[in-house]
Amino acid sequence: QVQLQESGPGLVKPSETLSLTCTVSGGSVSSGSYYWSWIRQPPGKGLEWIGYIYYSGSTNYNPSLKSRVTISVDTSKNQFSLKLSSVTAADTAVYYCARDLLWPGVGLDYWGQGTLVTVSS
Amino acid sequence: SSELTQDPAVSVALGQTVRITCQGDSLRSYYASWYQQKPGQAPVLVIYGKNNRPSGIPDRFSGSSSGNTASLTITGAQAEDEADYYCNSRDSSGNLFGGGTKLTVL
Repeated sequence: QVQLQESGPGLVKPSETLSLTCTVSGGSVSSGSYYWSWIRQPPGKGLEWIGYIYYSGSTNYNPSLKSRVTISVDTSKNQFSLKLSSVTAADTAVYYCARDLLWPGVGLDYWGQGTLVTVSS
Repeated sequence: SSELTQDPAVSVALGQTVRITCQGDSLRSYYASWYQQKPGQAPVLVIYGKNNRPSGIPDRFSGSSSGNTASLTITGAQAEDEADYYCNSRDSSGNLFGGGTKLTVL
């Protein structure tokens, strides 16, 4: 059974960098069959795709966040990570990591439980 | 940039059939996937690809697509199907989600 678990600070100050890690168990981030994704959901609002990474390190980001986002992968720890710089209150959200099936088309079949990150001084 | 449009809210009588739709240009080129989200929980994938259900998803959930519109159909809606539903597809920039549809089972 594949499991994903987000970890990181629940409170980040404005203008600082949000950093989260997703630890994968029961599966491997080195698999060529998946993208590894980050998605967020502001309180009371809908889902927003942030970006994904492939095991090779290639990435794709939401154009609206691209200038502030970095996603990386650590195959030795079976983890992938998110960094979002220059945060504001608008970045307050539940952040999810998820596995994307890659084919046929997008399919986020396993999700972490989500972690609430609040941006506040 | 692309976007996916969903009706904000839909209701269905218990045991009846309901269709939730998602419109967007990306759907002409890419399959949609569908997610069910209940309060305080992570989304759950219910349909992906042409009409594939992950293991454990009841067969009352089905998907279809025509032109720029993808649909999720629940045949014989149950009380436990009351939730938010999101569509999702790839586009030229990556992935995008619809705004979500709140399904009420009456």
